[in-house]
Order: sequence, then structure tokens, then C-alpha cells
Amino acid sequence: LAKTTQPISMDSYEGQEVNITCSHNNIATNDYITWYQQFPSQGPRFIIQGYKTKVTNEVASLFIPADRKSSTLSLPRVSLSDTAVYYCLVGRKLNAGNNRKLIWGLGTSLGVNP
Amino acid sequence: EAQVTQNPRYLITVTGKKLTVTCSQNMNHEYMSWYRQDPGLGLRQIYYSMNVEVTDKGDVPEGYKVSRKEKRNFPLILESPSPNQTSLYFCASSSLGTGKDEKLFFGSGTQLSVL
Repeated sequence: LAKTTQPISMDSYEGQEVNITCSHNNIATNDYITWYQQFPSQGPRFIIQGYKTKVTNEVASLFIPADRKSSTLSLPRVSLSDTAVYYCLVGRKLNAGNNRKLIWGLGTSLGVNP
Repeated sequence: EAQVTQNPRYLITVTGKKLTVTCSQNMNHEYMSWYRQDPGLGLRQIYYSMNVEVTDKGDVPEGYKVSRKEKRNFPLILESPSPNQTSLYFCASSSLGTGKDEKLFFGSGTQLSVL
């Protein structure tokens, strides 16, 4: 069964670029990769999603190598407000219908220091 | 505003006293799901529903029930709560599997304490 593994915690400083890597060695051909951000006492919030190569939006970039066994969330120039837990998620289609299995990592707690 | 609404936000109860946590979404999503979040264990799925009257077990369904009689509502029922169900619960909805963005929208959470 697919499993996602990510670092438990990371620390950074304001203005730096932060890269969080998630390992998903057993990813299947049709699986997609999603990252969520969670602040204390709030539900997770969608950041970015991709299938292969590179995806960029207004808050982050997602890098996925050709073998897709890992993915890296890149946060440019972090600020104190980026202090949060970041979750990697692999979405798997289960059958011919619309059913999905969502495989969550345990989250990476990012601390941004002044 | 597109949102997932859970109630109550905080709940303290005693062992064995039936309770229901409500969840409602206003985005016409087919998919809804319940998660529990515990320190060191991340998010674990309890139940999910692909559409009205279609529900299925997640990874930790024991001790929980759900129903999906209407598209917008997906209540979580604890028939006989026990202390090991003390946790932070999240409801989520999505247009999962419909060819649109496979993005989950989460509620603000319900902190449940069972004494």
C-alpha cells in the first residue's frame, strides 16, 4: 500500500526559500500529489496539486521528478505567517468509478523565525 | 462564501452518551468525508461519502456512524462515545472524482472530549 513520508519538522528564517520533500515510493501511474497547510485550531487548506514536472501558483511551487517517487513543496521567501504544518497527500483512483483513496503524510511542522 | 460548516466547535461529553456532530457544505460537492486528528498520528479518515446514500468506511470507522440523506449534509454520529474517541474532528468536502480540481475543503474542526 502506498505510504507518504515527510520530515517531522523544519526551521527557517524570514525571507528564505523553504523546500519540503515528501517521499511516496509506491506511487501509481494515475496518482496525483497534493499539499495542504494547517494552522493551529483550523482545518487544512489546499496549497498546490500536481501530477508531474513542475506546478506553480501564487503561493508555492511543486516539483515532481520524472520517477514521481518524491515531490518537493517550495515556499519562496517565507514569512512568520507561514509557520504551520504542511501535509503531503497522494490521491489514488480505486476503481472504474469516481472513488479515491487519499494517503496522507504525518505532516511537517515548519517554524519560521525572525 | 464557499464553506464547510461544522458544529459544535467544542464538545465535552461523558462515556456512553450519544452525540452528533453536524457538517454542511454549500458547494454542491458530491464527496464528503470525516477525519480525526491526533498528536503524532496526523489525519485519519473515519468515513467518506461519494454521493447521497453512498457511504463507506475509511481507515478508523469503529465506533462511528454516518449518514448522507442530503447532498449538503454529512453528520457524524457517536452512538456510545468512549474516552479513546477524544480527538479533533474535521469534515471535508470536494468535487473529487468529477474531473475538476481534486481539492478538499475542510471545516474548522470540532474538539471532542469524552470523560
